[in-house]
Amino acid sequence: DAGVIQSPRHEVTEMGQEVTLRCKPISGHNSLFWYRQTMMRGLELLIYFNNNVPIDDSGMPEDRFSAKMPNASFSTLKIQPSEPRDSAVYFCASSQRLAGAYEQYFGPGTRLTVT
Amino acid sequence: DAKTTQPNSMESNEEEPVHLPCNHSTISGTDYIHWYRQLPSQGPEYVIHGLTSNVNNRMASLAIAEDRKSSTLILHRATLRDAAVYYCILRPNYNQGGKLIFGQGTELSVKP
Repeated sequence: DAGVIQSPRHEVTEMGQEVTLRCKPISGHNSLFWYRQTMMRGLELLIYFNNNVPIDDSGMPEDRFSAKMPNASFSTLKIQPSEPRDSAVYFCASSQRLAGAYEQYFGPGTRLTVT
Repeated sequence: DAKTTQPNSMESNEEEPVHLPCNHSTISGTDYIHWYRQLPSQGPEYVIHGLTSNVNNRMASLAIAEDRKSSTLILHRATLRDAAVYYCILRPNYNQGGKLIFGQGTELSVKP
């Protein structure tokens, strides 16, 4: 299996532009998670989906952030408009809901720089 | 969610065992104990998890105190590749979505 795939790996954009990050979870996994990592705040959960349905978006910083999962094999995280404080590494992870397991597999991350 | 406490950093010598401690005094009876690690410039990766009994897998061992208020991740022979940030996380059993809350973790450095 190719693992969790994220694109792009690096994104540099100017303040005010729209940014879309993409994630393809591992085939057969039914939970998907978006995290953000910065030096100041560490690794934060933004939102997660079970069976393509958003379950908890309490970590989404503000209305500029939105996430969708139109099908089991694709998810997007969109920031519109972007701001310099959104600069971070964004990770996508997926897992399969088995009793007692929930081992999460992380993608390589997208490093976002907003100037 | 119950909180964990880990040392900020630890050092080890290559090929020696490493014991990474985690305190979770407010753990509830159905909380699972998970360990993840994050190698430099990579996403976190699962290491091991347990509930009450000690656990072993190909990567590490997890020793859980009898009262479950602390646990220790054991790397039997540290290699340079084990240098990473290690996260101890509690996952409530009711958390059917598998949501994990990461703390600051322990940064492990391994000296040759």
